[in-house]
Amino acid sequence: KQEVTQIPAALSVPEGENLVLNCSFTDSAIYNLQWFRQDPGKGLTSLLLIQSSQREQTSGRLNASLDKSSGRSTLYIAASQPGDSATYLCAPFRGGFKTIFGAGTRLFVKA
Amino acid sequence: ETGVTQTPRHLVMGMTNKKSLKCEQHLGHNAMYWYKQSAKKPLELMFVYSLEERVENNSVPSRFSPECPNSSHLFLHLHTLQPEDSALYLCASSQDLSGIYNEQFFGPGTRLTVL
Repeated sequence: KQEVTQIPAALSVPEGENLVLNCSFTDSAIYNLQWFRQDPGKGLTSLLLIQSSQREQTSGRLNASLDKSSGRSTLYIAASQPGDSATYLCAPFRGGFKTIFGAGTRLFVKA
Repeated sequence: ETGVTQTPRHLVMGMTNKKSLKCEQHLGHNAMYWYKQSAKKPLELMFVYSLEERVENNSVPSRFSPECPNSSHLFLHLHTLQPEDSALYLCASSQDLSGIYNEQFFGPGTRLTVL
């Protein structure tokens, strides 16, 4: 059974810092991995989708990498801003109609 | 309307009530999902539909009853709920259930409180 761990569970940083959020998963036979952002009490916003054949994806200040063989993905956030404050979730998709979500990293960026 | 919409956004119900949650996607997708998000727990997949056919049911209690009348609409019918069912219920859609096209897009959720 797939298990997903996100480290750290919470992070508080001053504005302008570059950040690294980690996601690890136990079953490396995945088709893709998706990173989401969730604001309190709201739905999830898709940030990046990395196919299993890709090593990384970039969108603006966000860069996600995937090392499928070691069961790891990393989300880099460059030059963090207070508007980046949210919970960040990773979700490896293994197939069988299941996407397993991590518990998330709660990020707070101080102005 | 664009993306995935959910109504109502907030719902308070007693344990003996019957209510329904509605989800609509305007993305032309063929797969739709219901998730439950309880406080301090990861998202839990409840139901998956592909081309209006249910393909996944994660041992969800029968007091939750899904319905997918067409590929754009998904309902979650609720009856005789328990206070522990209070949670944020999220709907999502994806192009299909294959690995390549499985990028999921979520609605804003319905915050359900059971008294």
